[in-house]
Amino acid sequence: DVKVTQSSRYLVKRTGEKVFLECVQDMDHENMFWYRQDPGLGLRLIYFSYDVKMKEKGDIPEGYSVSREKKERFSLILESASTNQTSMYLCASIPSGGLSTEAFFGQGTRLTVV
Amino acid sequence: QKEVEQNSGPLSVPEGAIASLNCTYSDRGSQSFFWYRQYSGKSPELIMFIYSNGDKEDGRFTAQLNKASQYVSLLIRDSQPSDSATYLCAASPNNAGNMLTFGGGTRLMVKP
Repeated sequence: DVKVTQSSRYLVKRTGEKVFLECVQDMDHENMFWYRQDPGLGLRLIYFSYDVKMKEKGDIPEGYSVSREKKERFSLILESASTNQTSMYLCASIPSGGLSTEAFFGQGTRLTVV
Repeated sequence: QKEVEQNSGPLSVPEGAIASLNCTYSDRGSQSFFWYRQYSGKSPELIMFIYSNGDKEDGRFTAQLNKASQYVSLLIRDSQPSDSATYLCAASPNNAGNMLTFGGGTRLMVKP
């Protein structure tokens, strides 16, 4: 069974802290993505990666960085957390090739920055 | 900026009725389109995808695509209270790998 696992379901962090959100997939997919989801704004792409050690900025990369040292793991880093980064964060994994590129999502991490 | 637009709703329909969810997209290069369902507090899950003009049916769900009008829709027949969720439309570009652009979602409420 396809599985994308995010390290935490809920997190509460203080302003200025460095925050790590981890995502692991067991499907050997090349493509991994980090989105944030806010009411009324849908899913917005933060960063994505097509291969190990490769990363590309999405639509809203400011204040974030990523790391992909291994194919199965894609980490999102908030260098200095701010209250406007309070959100639901979703990791997704997508296989390469074809038109029916279904995204498999993790369970989400609800981050609150206080 | 590639955009996918949806009416946020809520769209309220009685049980047994047809629910019609609509989506428009701005990038004419988009090749394939996806409908995801997201229950409150849960992750999105794929319902259907479509990449050819016309209709595609899967059980109670029908996806419709009109590339000339840049319009995608999802029809849910015999709506059930369990269909109450937010429905996300997503478009995949033709030459940018497997990246999806999501709409803001439409909240559907099916009343018993």
